Amino acid sequence: KQEVTQIPAALSVPEGENLVLNCSFTDSAIYNLQWFRQDPGKGLTSLLLIQSSQREQTSGRLNASLDKSSGRSTLYIAASQPGDSATYLCAVKDRNAGNMLTFGGGTRLMVKP
Amino acid sequence: DAGVIQSPRHEVTEMGQEVTLRCKPISGHNSLFWYRQTMMRGLELLIYFNNNVPIDDSGMPEDRFSAKMPNASFSTLKIQPSEPRDSAVYFCASSLDRVSYEQYFGPGTRLTVT
Repeated sequence: KQEVTQIPAALSVPEGENLVLNCSFTDSAIYNLQWFRQDPGKGLTSLLLIQSSQREQTSGRLNASLDKSSGRSTLYIAASQPGDSATYLCAVKDRNAGNMLTFGGGTRLMVKP
Repeated sequence: DAGVIQSPRHEVTEMGQEVTLRCKPISGHNSLFWYRQTMMRGLELLIYFNNNVPIDDSGMPEDRFSAKMPNASFSTLKIQPSEPRDSAVYFCASSLDRVSYEQYFGPGTRLTVT
């Protein structure tokens, strides 16, 4: 059964820092990996989707990488801003689970002004 | 598109009462997912429909939970009778039934059972 782990569970950084959030998964037979952002009391917003054949995806200050063989993904946030404060979740769609996602526990990010 | 629509946004009910949560997926999406999120257990998939047919309901916690999708634009998640431990945020998500496609989430329904 696929298991997704996110480290650290919480992170606090000063504004302007570049930071990396980590996601690991146990079964490398995946279709894709999706990074989400969740603000307190809100739903999930999709940030980036990386297909299994891709190594990375970029959107603005966000860059997500995927190393399928080692079961790892990272979300890099450049020049962090207070508005980036949220919980970041990664989820994988694996080949043994049809169209379903398995989520990690999330990393709660606080960017201090 | 308005995105995935859920109602109500908040629900407070007493133990033993029936609760019905509603979801309207994004038009054209043929996969629909119900999730539950709690502090203790994180985000859990409850049930997943494809073309209005339940595909996997292994995440439904008990017989008190049931879900239906009578047509492509509407789904319900019902809890009868509700218990305090059902208190959580319930999310609905939809996607195209293509493994390469993203899932899009609704704003969630915060359920409190007293």
